[in-house]
Amino acid sequence: GESVGLHLPTLSVQEGDNSIINCAYSNSASDYFIWYKQESGKGPQFIIDIRSNMDKRQGQRVTVLLNKTVKHLSLQIAATQPGDSAVYFCADSPTGKLIFGQGTTLQVKP
Amino acid sequence: DAGITQSPRHKVTETGTPVTLRCHQTENHRYMYWYRQDPGHGLRLIHYSYGVKDTDKGEVSDGYSVSRSKTEDFLLTLESATSSQTSVYFCAISESLPDTQPQHFGDGTRLSIL
Repeated sequence: GESVGLHLPTLSVQEGDNSIINCAYSNSASDYFIWYKQESGKGPQFIIDIRSNMDKRQGQRVTVLLNKTVKHLSLQIAATQPGDSAVYFCADSPTGKLIFGQGTTLQVKP
Repeated sequence: DAGITQSPRHKVTETGTPVTLRCHQTENHRYMYWYRQDPGHGLRLIHYSYGVKDTDKGEVSDGYSVSRSKTEDFLLTLESATSSQTSVYFCAISESLPDTQPQHFGDGTRLSIL
């Protein structure tokens, strides 16, 4: 079946640096992609989404890049803060339902 | 934050007992979903609803049933709980189809089956 994977289970960055979290997807029919942040003991929180007719979308301190040629999605967080420490999930929708990756844990060092 | 309340937040029960989890939303969204989250598997869809009395199966629906008699409430029932159903369960809602708008999640129910 469809799977959405993240390249690294854990990413450690220095406070103030930029973070890049990567995700690969396998189904070229996927048209919608989304990133979530999950803090301990809480539900996933929507960060940003992007459709396949776009290559880049920016939000507040976050940017999502989509490379359809290599089926790769990334989330960039500018000036990473301690409050950004969490698990980040990507998801895509090849069949109309969201398929989630397993998550990357972002650790922010002071 | 989206107005989603899951109850109970924690539950411990024994194998073979029935369990019902409740999801209540105040957003009047049409679509509601139940997921389970387990280490090594990420979030997996159990069942979803696209309107009152309209439900369908997800990826891991065996052993689970759902009901939606009102727009605001979506119930997940484990008819006879098994230890493999120990998990964290999340409810989500969305205004329209899942490949058009983001889903918003509740804070989960941690269910332990002994």
